[in-house]
Order: sequence, then C-alpha cells, then structure tokens
Amino acid sequence: GAVVSQHPSWVICKSGTSVKIECRSLDFQATTMFWYRQFPKQSLMLMATSNEGSKATYEQGVEKDKFLINHASLTLSTLTVTSAHPEDSSFYICNPSQGSTEAFFGQGTRLTVV
Amino acid sequence: ELKVEQNPLFLSMQEGKNYTIYCNYSTTSDRLYWYRQDPGKSLESLFVLLSNGAVKQEGRLMASLDTKARLSTLHITAAVHDLSATYFCAVDDYGGATNKLIFGTGTLLAVQP
Repeated sequence: GAVVSQHPSWVICKSGTSVKIECRSLDFQATTMFWYRQFPKQSLMLMATSNEGSKATYEQGVEKDKFLINHASLTLSTLTVTSAHPEDSSFYICNPSQGSTEAFFGQGTRLTVV
Repeated sequence: ELKVEQNPLFLSMQEGKNYTIYCNYSTTSDRLYWYRQDPGKSLESLFVLLSNGAVKQEGRLMASLDTKARLSTLHITAAVHDLSATYFCAVDDYGGATNKLIFGTGTLLAVQP
C-alpha cells in the first residue's frame, strides 16, 4: 500500500499557542487531502477537504480561521491549530487521496493542550 | 446527508465464538471500507468492498456488502484475543470529493480468554 508520513506523533502544547501537523504522501501524489479529528472513544469526523493549490473546504462547525490548512504541493499538506485550547485536544489523522479506491491514512497526531 | 451507523457499539465475546458487526448507511454508495483501530493508533485497512454482493475474507474476518439494503457486515469466526480492537466501517460519500469517507460509530470488540 501507499506510504503516508504524519508528524509529529504526539504533541503537548500550552493553551494559546499554535501547533503545526505535517502530512506527506511519500510514494504517490495526493490531489486531495482530507483531515479528520477523533475525540476519545468517538469516531472519526471529517474536518476539511483540500485540493492542491486551492483553499480548503471546511465541514460545518469547523472554524476555518482556527484550523489552517495548506496544501501547496501534491505530496505535502499541513494543518495548523492556531491559538489552541484544551477542547482542541484530540487525535488528528490525515488522509491523502489520489482518487483511487484505496484510502490511506497517516499515523495520527495526538494533540494535548494544557 | 450521508449517515453511517454501526451496531453493536460494544461487543464482549469469548474466544472461539462467532459474531457479526453490522454497518448501515443512509444514501446510495457502492464503496465501503472496514478498518481496525488499536488504542492510540491510526487506522489499519481491512477490506475495501466495491460492488453489490462483494465478499472478502482475511483470516477470521469476512466482510460483505449489500448495496440495495445499504448494509455491510463484518463477521468474526472463532474469535481470538488478538482481534480485540475498535472496528470502523466507512462509506464513500459521492456527494462530495472522491474518497470523502463518512465513518460509522465504531464497534469496540473485547475478546475474553
């Protein structure tokens, strides 16, 4: 299967600071990037969808000014959580897509805001 | 809006027993995925089902898809402790971008010795 690299695996930050999460598709070009969020003991919820070179589309209830997504190349996308607060603590997972039937996910980033 | 429901939400079963997890979805789709998630980890792909009547098997797990009933099942045969994990189904939402997946609620499986 395709190789996806997501960093960091876990991060602890202070309330009010920003955190950047990187997602790379190492052996394929991702025309679309999906970012998911998973709270403890819950399912994965789609946060936003981005196409390379375009602005991201956010799901209802997700603040676009808080969760900044950059998809400047076909192999790299970043999610920046700005002015993080404890309620942003969650597991963030990227899903780069090349439009095939397979879906590949990053290893996930556990964010804890204290 | 596509909704995906799984049941049961939690399943405790003894080793050696069989059981089925159900995944229902609300709108037309013929792409359905099953994933396994261990605590603190990301998703491990189990099956991709791409057409009505598709059946796939790997070890003690077998998945099927009935697109007319909008139902997929994940059957566990002779469960072993190593199968303990959370299982998610996910449905491709054609209303949006390709491969935009809507996930089910998840089924936490605990296999007891």
